[in-house]
Amino acid sequence: QSVLTQPPSVSAAPGQKVTISCSGSSSNIGATYVSWYQQLPGAAPKLLIYDNDQRPSGIPDRFSGSKSGTSATLGITGLQTGDEADYYCGAWDTSLSGGVFGGGTKLTVL
Amino acid sequence: QVQLVQSGAEVKKPGASVKVSCKASGYTFSGYYMHWVRQAPGQGLEWMGWIHPNSGGTRYAQRFQGWVTMTRDTSINTVYMELNRLKLDDTAVYYCARDGDSGYYYDNWGQGTLVTVSS
Repeated sequence: QSVLTQPPSVSAAPGQKVTISCSGSSSNIGATYVSWYQQLPGAAPKLLIYDNDQRPSGIPDRFSGSKSGTSATLGITGLQTGDEADYYCGAWDTSLSGGVFGGGTKLTVL
Repeated sequence: QVQLVQSGAEVKKPGASVKVSCKASGYTFSGYYMHWVRQAPGQGLEWMGWIHPNSGGTRYAQRFQGWVTMTRDTSINTVYMELNRLKLDDTAVYYCARDGDSGYYYDNWGQGTLVTVSS
């Protein structure tokens, strides 16, 4: 079982908005920063959001992140078929002294 | 640009060891921690540990302690992850991933190395 909890799947129509939640605890999300990764089929994960709400260079502003307490949310607006992928949240756990991830959320663009 | 290039796929028998390499380029190798993350087929991501290329210091996830060894060769900007006493459920794609500037994320990933453990 993953330390961080994500919904297994979400879906929405092209052009719509979707949010993906990530729930943790006071030793991980509540204590450090959250990051989000996109994994297209057959590819390595790619950084989408870091430090809760920062986008790396080249990531469109359709992707956004937020954090409140021990939970975080990834938002994607203007959905495109190319956004179909698995999305993972990640954080550092101060009790485990190690990295932790959510179980992943499969996004389907209907 | 930052590039992490990993070694090729491996097939091993249970009880054997595997050593995966990750060659870095495009940045100052000694300046960033390198993490290893694995992903079993159809499963999520699992953090295994990190190595600091400058000092060689390591930290492993508790479940991998005594079982994994991470090393580096600074002369060729390469880090290694060796997993011993392989079991069938160690079949996974193993990724190296560079630490981000704030230390709480992974900003560049290798392409992954599939390790298949089969009798």
